[in-house]
Amino acid sequence: AQSVAQPEDQVNVAEGNPLTVKCTYSVSGNPYLFWYVQYPNRGLQFLLKYITGDNLVKGSYGFEAEFNKSQTSFHLKKPSALVSDSALYFCAVRDWNKLIFGTGTRLQVFP
Amino acid sequence: DAGVTQSPTHLIKTRGQQVTLRCSPKSGHDTVSWYQQALGQGPQFIFQYYEEEERQRGNFPDRFSGHQFPNYSSELNVNALLLGDSALYLCASSPGGMGNTEAFFGQGTRLTVV
Repeated sequence: AQSVAQPEDQVNVAEGNPLTVKCTYSVSGNPYLFWYVQYPNRGLQFLLKYITGDNLVKGSYGFEAEFNKSQTSFHLKKPSALVSDSALYFCAVRDWNKLIFGTGTRLQVFP
Repeated sequence: DAGVTQSPTHLIKTRGQQVTLRCSPKSGHDTVSWYQQALGQGPQFIFQYYEEEERQRGNFPDRFSGHQFPNYSSELNVNALLLGDSALYLCASSPGGMGNTEAFFGQGTRLTVV
């Protein structure tokens, strides 16, 4: 069965510093991986996806993610964090026609 | 483009009642999926509708049912509500199933069962 794991419940980072939100996956076959962000009382907003091709994927709002097949990871990164990046981040993997989500990581960016 | 729209945004129901949630997909999308997000959890897949039929279902009881209309909009019905059904219900749309595309989510309906 496909699954993703987000090992950190919360990540704290100072504004202007680089940020990393971790995700590992377990799949049979080629993984289709996604990152979504959720602001309070809102739905999920798509950030980026990995289907195939370059291991470094660039997405919305300056975010990028690195696909690492040997480590089965798909970590979300941003070179310089903003206070407005504070939100709940979900990694997801496609399983047939549905998405399987991780438990989420709360990112807190301090001024 | 209004994106995915859901109604209502908030709802309070009593145990044992029935509820209907509504979703209009993003323009050009013909596939609608429903997810339940309990507090502090990631979204859990309920089911997906395509061509007015349920195409795939997650691990939810039969109290959860749905419908898709010819204009691709969809409804989620929950019968015999339990306290544990309190959650944010998210609708997601995509073209022709997931494929290589991302799903677009609505803002959700917050259901509280008392």
